[in-house]
Amino acid sequence: DVKVTQSSRYLVKRTGEKVFLECVQDMDHENMFWYRQDPGLGLRLIYFSYDVKMKEKGDIPEGYSVSREKKERFSLILESASTNQTSMYLCASSLNSLSYNEQFFGPGTRLTVL
Amino acid sequence: GESVGLHLPTLSVQEGDNSIINCAYSNSASDYFIWYKQESGKGPQFIIDIRSNMDKRQGQRVTVLLNKTVKHLSLQIAATQPGDSAVYFCAEGHSGNTPLVFGKGTRLSVIA
Repeated sequence: DVKVTQSSRYLVKRTGEKVFLECVQDMDHENMFWYRQDPGLGLRLIYFSYDVKMKEKGDIPEGYSVSREKKERFSLILESASTNQTSMYLCASSLNSLSYNEQFFGPGTRLTVL
Repeated sequence: GESVGLHLPTLSVQEGDNSIINCAYSNSASDYFIWYKQESGKGPQFIIDIRSNMDKRQGQRVTVLLNKTVKHLSLQIAATQPGDSAVYFCAEGHSGNTPLVFGKGTRLSVIA
């Protein structure tokens, strides 16, 4: 079974703090994704990566950055957290981009910024 | 940009009845579609997928129907059970370096 794990289930941070959300997958997947999920807005793509050290902006990258130094790990960074970044953050991975394949999701991190 | 949407944001069904969740997509280039189920406090889980060269695919108690003419996707759940209560998302995509595009979700509530 593919397992996607996220470093925290719940996180509380203060405005202006630097926040790191970590995601690890154990099935040698090439593709990794970060989404945020808000009521009524569904899943919105923040950043994705198709290979180590590669990153692509998604639909809402502002206020976020990412790092992919190793294939299995994809980190989401909030350089200076703001209250409007309070949300559920979901990480996902998929095998590669050569064919059709599903995305496997982690359990999510619920981030609250005070 | 192109988007994936849903006809019904909430759906309540009686236990044992069949459920039908609908999804409209707008990108005619999409050729791969997935249904996900998200239970409270968990990440989305894959249910079933279908490629555009098919119009129907069946799994265990679930069936996905694809109508490319009207760009419509549906998920049918047979003999709905309380454990089926969740939010269901459709997603569209195609092979290559493009991420899936997700709909906003439909909440399914099963009445015992």
